Amino acid sequence: QQQVKQSPQSLIVQKGGIPIINCAYENTAFDYFPWYQQFPGKGPALLIAIRPDVSEKKEGRFTISFNKSAKQFSLHIMDSQPGDSATYFCAASMASGGSNYKLTFGKGTLLTVNP
Amino acid sequence: DTGVSQDPRHKITKRGQNVTFRCDPISEHNRLYWYRQTLGQGPEFLTYFQNEAQLEKSRLLSDRFSAERPKGSFSTLEIQRTEQGDSAMYLCASSFYGTRLTDTQYFGPGTRLTVL
Repeated sequence: QQQVKQSPQSLIVQKGGIPIINCAYENTAFDYFPWYQQFPGKGPALLIAIRPDVSEKKEGRFTISFNKSAKQFSLHIMDSQPGDSATYFCAASMASGGSNYKLTFGKGTLLTVNP
Repeated sequence: DTGVSQDPRHKITKRGQNVTFRCDPISEHNRLYWYRQTLGQGPEFLTYFQNEAQLEKSRLLSDRFSAERPKGSFSTLEIQRTEQGDSAMYLCASSFYGTRLTDTQYFGPGTRLTVL
């Protein structure tokens, strides 16, 4: 059972474009939603995270949009650059009750930003 | 570099052999996690420690797998009688769990295991 579904599997944009990556979750107990960025040969690194009490969070060029009723959240990358080319993973966990240790990841999106 | 480190970075072994991986977390972090990542998939949770106590193990962690964190610092993950299906990237992460509801998990570069 895949608890976090991520799409698209791959995405190609031109420099300056705004790639959007979408995730949907099933478990309504999830209440912490981080996005990770992974370059080849490296471990995932936290980009940005959101709790369900807000509908949007921005950090630099990265924005998370969150729709609690639809159980969906998405990552937008503004003014994308070739250096943003990486694999992006959404994840979810149950932070309340101390269970935030167990991150459930989506399958990842391979983003390519062409110069 | 004071991030999470893992050793070795690559391991090739023959089916049936035992292998052991090491993870050194960020020094002040009290939680340590192990994940497994196969090609085209996101990381899957295997187990985690708070200090030296192993508090949860995923059903993915068969009895051939054992993890330890003897002094609440570094951790080892051992796989006995390796199978080809064990081939994957094994990721370690650490975090500081304190008074905040969420703690950021910082990942190491991983150990890529290939079982021939």
